[in-house]
Formats: sequence, C-alpha cells, structure tokens
Amino acid sequence: GAVVSQHPSRVICKSGTSVKIECRSLDFQATTMFWYRQFPKQSLMLMATSNEGSKATYEQGVEKDKFLINHASLTLSTLTVTSAHPEDSSFYICSARTSWTTYEQYFGPGTRLTVT
Amino acid sequence: AQKITQTQPGMFVQEKEAVTLDCTYDTSDQSYGLFWYKQPSSGEMIFLIYQGSYDEQNATEGRYSLNFQKARKSANLVISASQLGDSAMYFCAMREGEDFNKFYFGSGTKLNVKP
Repeated sequence: GAVVSQHPSRVICKSGTSVKIECRSLDFQATTMFWYRQFPKQSLMLMATSNEGSKATYEQGVEKDKFLINHASLTLSTLTVTSAHPEDSSFYICSARTSWTTYEQYFGPGTRLTVT
Repeated sequence: AQKITQTQPGMFVQEKEAVTLDCTYDTSDQSYGLFWYKQPSSGEMIFLIYQGSYDEQNATEGRYSLNFQKARKSANLVISASQLGDSAMYFCAMREGEDFNKFYFGSGTKLNVKP
C-alpha cells in the first residue's frame, strides 16, 4: 500500500512554455502533499507544502507565481512550472502523508524536467 | 547552520561487509524524527529506517540499523552484509518538531559496493 505516482516521469519543454506535473496517491487519501526539487548530485529541497482544499505554503525563496501548486482533491496535487527557463530544469519529487501515518511520508518516483 | 550534515560524499565497501554512513543533525526541538532514504539511479526515494527522538532503542530494519547517539546528535546508518544492490545515494533526513513542512535532507552519501 501507500503508493504515490507522478506523471510524467520525464518531460522536455521549450523555454517560455508551461508544464504541469501530477502527483497522485493511488491507494490512500493524502491530507498533505509536498513538492521537492533536486538538482543533479544535490540534495532534495522542499519547495512547498499543500493541504487539500487550501493554498500551498511555499518555502522561502520559492516563487509562488512561477511554481503553481494545486491540491484539488485528497488524491491529486499538481505542480505547474510557468514560463519555464533552462534554470528550472531539475528533478521534481512529490511526497504525500495521510492522517494515519505517524511519521511516514511516501515519495513519488519523480519527474525529470528539461527546459531547452 | 546546516540542519543535517553528511560528511561522506562517497563511500566504497566490499560486498558482504558492513558499512556505516555518518549523519549529524542540529535542532533545538525536543521532539524530532530522523530518517534514512536510499535513492538509486532511477531517482525514487526509498524509505529505509526511522528513529524518533524519544525512542530509547536504536531502530533496526533487516540489514539496516540506526546508531542513534542523542547527546552527540548523530544518527549513523549501518548496513550489514552489503549487497551489490545497495549501491545508491543515501540521504539522512530530519523532521523537526511534529510538522512535516520542517523536513530537511542532508547532502547525501554515494555508496558503491564492490564485488
């Protein structure tokens, strides 16, 4: 149980376009979802926390207007990178928690974004 | 200050031997949680082991054990009987307090298991 999927797994887009990444909890209801960013050979950095039905909470330094997060249901959160630039190229990973997990968060497999 | 410090960017270990991956943390909270994750080249984060700050016993999960030394603020991961499939990046992480939005990862250790 506790499977989180991400779609797409890889995406290449042109500079200036927007791209949407989906994060789904497949067999549980995710009260909270998290979005992380990982540059090559670096650690994961938390970008934002989203709770179902409310606005996302962004970490310091993360542009809200550039990285739009929507947590419309208990099983789906989306991250939209707007007007993407090459410096947005990165590995984006989501994770999800439920009310019944005491300490766990379940990670998705990640989405590799390349902006050309 | 870094919340999580992993001082070993890369480690080599011979197959079937044990290896210790170092992790130190910094927090003033009394309640916190420590985690280790494995990230193979495919990218997914695989949860390995968890230690709560109030847990008196060191956590163990199969071949993984966490050497928790609270006074030293260290939470080293010990992998016994290394296998070739253990080759991956390993991240130490901390949840500060009870909020998962205060979740910090270390810089990682690349473990290579030699046959």
